[in-house]
Amino acid sequence: EDKVVQSPLSLVVHEGDTVTLNCSYEVTNFRSLLWYKQEKKAPTFLFMLTSSGIEKKSGRLSSILDKKELFSILNITATQTGDSAIYLCAVGGSQGNLIFGKGTKLSVKP
Amino acid sequence: DVKVTQSSRYLVKRTGEKVFLECVQDMDHENMFWYRQDPGLGLRLIYFSYDVKMKEKGDIPEGYSVSREKKERFSLILESASTNQTSMYLCASSLPRLAGGHNEQFFGPGTRLTVL
Repeated sequence: EDKVVQSPLSLVVHEGDTVTLNCSYEVTNFRSLLWYKQEKKAPTFLFMLTSSGIEKKSGRLSSILDKKELFSILNITATQTGDSAIYLCAVGGSQGNLIFGKGTKLSVKP
Repeated sequence: DVKVTQSSRYLVKRTGEKVFLECVQDMDHENMFWYRQDPGLGLRLIYFSYDVKMKEKGDIPEGYSVSREKKERFSLILESASTNQTSMYLCASSLPRLAGGHNEQFFGPGTRLTVL
């Protein structure tokens, strides 16, 4: 059975800290891994990763995929209160659908 | 910008009622999806559709049905609502899967359904 496991499930840090969120997966015919950020409403897309070892970067956020060890990490440096959200990892298999993890709830305290 | 809209933000229904949740996207996307999101369980796929009149079961289709009569509209139907269907329902759309990966899914704002 395909599955995506995120850790930790929740995390509380202070502004300025660096955080690392983890996502491991077991998916038949892996195609890609996507990260989303969900604040109060709809998840918004952050990154899509398909190749091992290539870092995707957007401002203070970066992500990398290890297809051999079947995991990805999402790093956030110099965290701000606006980074508080649920971060979702999703993996796509051979069909068009995505399999989502349960998410990591990040709280950044001032 | 892709826009995915859902018919209601909040909905309260009674047990046994028939419930329709509507989703409309304006970017001519082929793929549309219905998820429910519950604390501690994450997003779980109910149904998805690759094209008009096509539908595929997701992980938790029991108690739900869907309709896709037009490309831009994907409806989720609860034939007889039950209290365990109280949840946040999210609709999403995307272009077809890429050869090398997946196109991102664009999400609607969600409908918080309460079944009493």
